[in-house]
Amino acid sequence: AQKVTQAQTEISVVEKEDVTLDCVYETRDTTYYLFWYKQPPSGELVFLIRRNSFDEQNEISGRYSWNFQKSTSSFNFTITASQVVDSAVYFCALLERQTGANNLFFGTGTRLTVIP
Amino acid sequence: EPEVTQTPSHQVTQMGQEVILRCVPISNHLYFYWYRQILGQKVEFLVSFYNNEISEKSEIFDDQFSVERPDGSNFTLKIRSTKLEDSAMYFCASKTGGEKLFFGSGTQLSVL
Repeated sequence: AQKVTQAQTEISVVEKEDVTLDCVYETRDTTYYLFWYKQPPSGELVFLIRRNSFDEQNEISGRYSWNFQKSTSSFNFTITASQVVDSAVYFCALLERQTGANNLFFGTGTRLTVIP
Repeated sequence: EPEVTQTPSHQVTQMGQEVILRCVPISNHLYFYWYRQILGQKVEFLVSFYNNEISEKSEIFDDQFSVERPDGSNFTLKIRSTKLEDSAMYFCASKTGGEKLFFGSGTQLSVL
C-alpha cells in the first residue's frame, strides 16, 4: 500500500491562476512529519515545508499555503497567483517516527505546468 | 546557507563497471542518506547511515551497493557492477538529529 498518494499526475494552469496539489497519506503512527519538496527542471529537491502530526495549524508563506487535515489524512498545497517559475514536479513525503523508520516515503509527484 | 554537495553531476558508465558517487554532507550533520529517482518516477529511499554504520536500508540496496564515509567529510555510494536498471538520479541527503532532510542536487547516472 502506498504511504503517500498524490493522485494528480499532471496539472496545467494559466499564469495567475490558483492551484491546489493534493496529498493523502497513510500511517499508523501518531507521531509523524509531512513534507513538500519542489523539483524544478534542473533536478534538485528543494525543501518547502515540514509539518508535524501534532500541529494542524495551516501555514502560509507568501503565495504558498498548506492545509493539513488529520481527519482526512491530507496535506494539500496551494499556490496562489501561480507563476511560470512554479513549473516543477512537487513531491509530498512522510516521515514516521514510532516505527523506528528514519527515512522519507515520497509520493509519486505532481507535475505542475504554469502556462504564460 | 550550507548545502549538500554531490559530484559528479552526471556520470556515464558501461554496464558491469563500478561507479562511486560522491557526496559532501553539511558539516555538522550526523545522519546521511542516499535516495534514487528513476526517470519519471518517485524518489525512493536506499540507505541511511549514522555513527559510521548503516542504520537502515531498503530492498533496493542489495549486495551490489555499499556506502562509506572514508573521512570526516565525504559520504560515498558505490555500485559494484552496474546494471541498466541502475540508471537514475541519485540524491544524497543529510540532517542533524531533527526531521528536515537537506538534499544535494543529485548525480544523474546513465548505464549504457
